[in-house]
Amino acid sequence: DAGVIQSPRHEVTEMGQEVTLRCKPISGHNSLFWYRQTMMRGLELLIYFNNNVPIDDSGMPEDRFSAKMPNASFSTLKIQPSEPRDSAVYFCASSLAERGETQYFGPGTRLLVL
Amino acid sequence: GDSVTQMEGPVTLSEEAFLTINCTYTATGYPSLFWYVQYPGEGLQLLLKATKADDKGSNKGFEATYRKETTSFHLEKGSVQVSDSAVYFCALSVPSGGYNKLIFGAGTRLAVHP
Repeated sequence: DAGVIQSPRHEVTEMGQEVTLRCKPISGHNSLFWYRQTMMRGLELLIYFNNNVPIDDSGMPEDRFSAKMPNASFSTLKIQPSEPRDSAVYFCASSLAERGETQYFGPGTRLLVL
Repeated sequence: GDSVTQMEGPVTLSEEAFLTINCTYTATGYPSLFWYVQYPGEGLQLLLKATKADDKGSNKGFEATYRKETTSFHLEKGSVQVSDSAVYFCALSVPSGGYNKLIFGAGTRLAVHP
């Protein structure tokens, strides 16, 4: 079975540009999570979707960040405009929404904003 | 609030040495507990989990026991290999606004040398 798929794997952009990260969750999973990983702050949950609906976006840093899930097999995380402090590894994870159910992580997108 | 505390790394061991990575948690209720592993350049993978007190999770020679009385979930392996070099994350799953939120520790880097 294919795991969580993320694209691109690496992204280098200049400050002020729009960045779009993409995620395809595992088929049949109804929960999707976006995380950000940095050395300083570790792993941070940005947003959680259940059945394509955003349930908890309290971790989204500011209005420059937005996330969508138009269907069960696709989600995007957009940063507009990007800033150097957004440089991080962004992970998407999916799971079945049951108590204690495992989250399966994608390989991540390494973003560098110059 | 709910939190996870891991021993700081890096942990450096010789091949075949015994490994312990300490993890303690603070949570209301009865969380599920997890160890995830992150190999260089990859996403997080579930290593093992335990869903109730006194459960022992095990996988690939690693094991951890859910100790409610000490609020701990220490990771152990009797004989580490070079291929175990990675970052290990302890995490707990707690109900939050209708879903199960994963709260991660800061991660412990393990380096095993021949």
